[in-house]
Amino acid sequence: NAGVMQNPRHLVRRRGQEARLRCSPMKGHSHVYWYRQLPEEGLKFMVYLQKENIIDESGMPKERFSAEFPKEGPSILRIQQVVRGDSAAYFCASSPQQLQGPYGYTFGSGTRLTVV
Amino acid sequence: GQQLNQSPQSMFIQEGEDVSMNCTSSSIFNTWLWYKQDPGEGPVLLIALYKAGELTSNGRLTAQFGITRKDSFLNISASIPSDVGIYFCAGLFSGGYQKVTFGTGTKLQVIP
Repeated sequence: NAGVMQNPRHLVRRRGQEARLRCSPMKGHSHVYWYRQLPEEGLKFMVYLQKENIIDESGMPKERFSAEFPKEGPSILRIQQVVRGDSAAYFCASSPQQLQGPYGYTFGSGTRLTVV
Repeated sequence: GQQLNQSPQSMFIQEGEDVSMNCTSSSIFNTWLWYKQDPGEGPVLLIALYKAGELTSNGRLTAQFGITRKDSFLNISASIPSDVGIYFCAGLFSGGYQKVTFGTGTKLQVIP
C-alpha cells in the first residue's frame, strides 16, 4: 500500500552540478504533478505530466529545468547546472487517471535539495 | 496568475484554545482544500469543500467555503500539541484538468 515515493529524501549538490529527483506515483495513478517549496514559503506549481506527455509546464523555469514521465519507471525532475537559489523542497503528487475530486491528489514526502 | 493569501502568517496559541485562519483569492475557485504539513513531510489533505457556503467538519476541524467563492476559513477547536504544523489552503478550478494553487501558509505553534 505504498504512497507516492520520492527519492532521494535529501540531496546535496555543488553549484554547477546536475540534480535528478525521482517520483514514483501511487499504484494506479498515471498523473504526476511537481511542486517546489522555498524555505518559509508555500508550494508553487511547476509541471503536470501524464505518461509520456507534458500537459502543463507553466510553472517551470525556462532554463535548466526539465521533467519527464516515461512509459516505464518514475517521473524525473532534472535540474542542470544548479545554483544556490535552487535549494528548496521539491514535492511530487499523483492522481488517478479518472480524478475523482481532490482525494486522489496525494503528495510524497519530498526531496530536499541543498546547493552548496 | 492566481494568488492565495493566508492570514495570519503564524500564530502561537495555548493548548486548549480555538484557532481561526483564513484564505482569500484574487479569483474564484469551485473547490477549496485545506492541507496540513508536518515538518519534513509533504502536505496531507484535511478537508475539501465543493460548494459556496458549504460548512464541513473533520473532528475538531471545521472549514467553510465562502459565499463569494474567493475565500475560505479553517477553525480548529480545543487545540492540542500535535496540531503544530503549517496549514495551507488551496484552490482548484476544474477546467480541463485539475491544477491546485496553494496559499502562503499559516504556521501554527501550540504551547502546552
